[in-house]
Amino acid sequence: QKEVEQDPGPLSVPEGAIVSLNCTYSNSAFQYFMWYRQYSRKGPELLMYTYSSGNKEDGRFTAQVDKSSKYISLFIRDSQPSDSATYLCAMRGSGNTPLVFGKGTRLSVIA
Amino acid sequence: GAVVSQHPSWVICKSGTSVKIECRSLDFQATTMFWYRQFPKQSLMLMATSNEGSKATYEQGVEKDKFLINHASLTLSTLTVTSAHPEDSSFYICSAEGDMALYFGPGTRLTVL
Repeated sequence: QKEVEQDPGPLSVPEGAIVSLNCTYSNSAFQYFMWYRQYSRKGPELLMYTYSSGNKEDGRFTAQVDKSSKYISLFIRDSQPSDSATYLCAMRGSGNTPLVFGKGTRLSVIA
Repeated sequence: GAVVSQHPSWVICKSGTSVKIECRSLDFQATTMFWYRQFPKQSLMLMATSNEGSKATYEQGVEKDKFLINHASLTLSTLTVTSAHPEDSSFYICSAEGDMALYFGPGTRLTVL
């Protein structure tokens, strides 16, 4: 079993839809959880950063962490064509432990 | 937010030459920087961890003599691809650690002819 599992998609939704992106993980030592957005031929951009279980909201984006289920989600409300990108989940334990990435989900928002 | 720059953004070189890529953290100091490689439609592949003032730690299968990493200061790490060959053509991305999150540079596209 891989440490972090993420459905690669592609996921295609109409403009205005609510998008749900998810990752599962197996390592209970993970404490810090991040979501990155990567446009084609660009470096990943940090979208959300959470520590411990719960929800965190930033504009149209909501990150959710459920440590008991080892499951994290990113919700995008009122999705826009400009949200079309690859979304990567990432997580790490405490201290100077390396970041472990999911494979990324390709999202297309159709106008 | 924290900003990481990379230079150059793209480079084309002849087989056998060496190419140096710079990674800078612009508004924060980074003790640790990471170098990734990414092929089209593939995920990020960690190549090495660069620590300021010490030798880099390479991932299994990455040739340290081919991919030379120097972390000379708290804001600069360089990756030199020595004697580049066409199979080294890829997208190279650096990242710097700040506040327990990683911030990525915009990437460097290397094409070896």
